[in-house]
Amino acid sequence: SQQGEEDPQALSIQEGENATMNCSYKTSINNLQWYRQNSGRGLVHLILIRSNEREKHSGRLRVTLDTSKKSSSLLITASRAADTASYFCANAGGTSYGKLTFGQGTILTVHP
Amino acid sequence: AAGVIQSPRHLIKEKRETATLKCYPIPRHDTVYWYQQGPGQDPQFLISFYEKMQSDKGSIPDRFSAQQFSDYHSELNMSSLELGDSALYFCASSLDPGVETQYFGPGTRLLVL
Repeated sequence: SQQGEEDPQALSIQEGENATMNCSYKTSINNLQWYRQNSGRGLVHLILIRSNEREKHSGRLRVTLDTSKKSSSLLITASRAADTASYFCANAGGTSYGKLTFGQGTILTVHP
Repeated sequence: AAGVIQSPRHLIKEKRETATLKCYPIPRHDTVYWYQQGPGQDPQFLISFYEKMQSDKGSIPDRFSAQQFSDYHSELNMSSLELGDSALYFCASSLDPGVETQYFGPGTRLLVL
């Protein structure tokens, strides 16, 4: 399978806590993108990290990339109830023309 | 800022009918991607177009076809619909394929009865 895996599949935390989601992939990549999806709705782009980058920040989001381990992590700090959603990583493979291969997603629930 | 537009947002069809989904990319974006997301599944790549030419093909059934027009909008045509085609269909666009962010539309929810 070309699909990656995400870990954990589900995460339940309290507001104010940090949430960490991990993603693994199988092929070489040009970049890796993280998306959020509220139940049955559209995919909202969060952050893109390129294959030559190791860490990137955007607001309360921190993404790391380890190409030697073919893995990435998304950290959401000081979580809010509004962060409740599914989070997907998606990689743009090195040999493809930009198509994204998605991981299985992490369902995050933040309790107020 | 302008986003990706998809129409219709919801569609109900009977088995063996046809459906056409439309996608209008963000202005100046020259690449369009189509993805299918089944219930509880992650999105699966179907097909993409760059500068009006098919650039990549994924797990798209032979019953489906797509094209990108001169104004860069794209249409996904689905024939002989099956129950298993019920899913969310997303279109995404980007400025530079494989390099830049893909921005997704709100999706078309297709229900085949």
